[in-house]
Amino acid sequence: SELTQPPSVSVSPGQPARITCSGDLLSKQYGYWYKQKPGQAPVLVMYKDTERPSGIPERFSGSSSGTTVTLTISGVQAEDEADYYCQSVDSSDTYREVVFGGGTKLTVL
Amino acid sequence: EVQLVQSGAEVKKSGESLQISCKTSGYSFTSYWIGWVRQMPGKGLEWMGIIYPGDSKTRYSPSFQGQVTISADKSIRTAYLQWTSLKASDTAMYYCARDDSLGIGDDIWFDSWGQGTLVTVSS
Repeated sequence: SELTQPPSVSVSPGQPARITCSGDLLSKQYGYWYKQKPGQAPVLVMYKDTERPSGIPERFSGSSSGTTVTLTISGVQAEDEADYYCQSVDSSDTYREVVFGGGTKLTVL
Repeated sequence: EVQLVQSGAEVKKSGESLQISCKTSGYSFTSYWIGWVRQMPGKGLEWMGIIYPGDSKTRYSPSFQGQVTISADKSIRTAYLQWTSLKASDTAMYYCARDDSLGIGDDIWFDSWGQGTLVTVSS
């Protein structure tokens, strides 16, 4: 199973940014989102489609529809420039496998 | 505070063996799965596998099954990733990360990450 993300998204400061992640398994599994800045470890910014971990700014939100999950950053700030990865789980009675999307580079213009 | 501290960067030759570690603190080590994730230079995240330190049950990505071994030592709260014969293509950053799902349902997600261990393999 695959998760597909746009390679890049560009947005001006203060504008909203929407990053999508599509894949068949998202119709029955949750999506998760990680932010990774250069030279740093990933950070969880959204779990179970819409849940925001403590410490993540309120401008980050998540949504899900059909086979697509979306991470929205309302009012993008310079510090939001990073790579963003979606993740889900492909599972059956006999296995569970973590799947990552290819990543989206968010550029703040 | 949950912390995962990984061992330092390694420079090895093809064919050599290697074990890198992920020492944890701040939570019940035996209650949470720990996963390993590879990131090749300039590339995205790839899930390698996961271990439940409570009973050392492991699951591997098909892409990494047979290529690496994941283990854990409960007595020192540490997880390991091991290679018996490295290849140049193993050059990458490797992250350990805690799965916050507590094994409930099908979900797996990583709420805390180590700082990464850079492995460089020369041919």
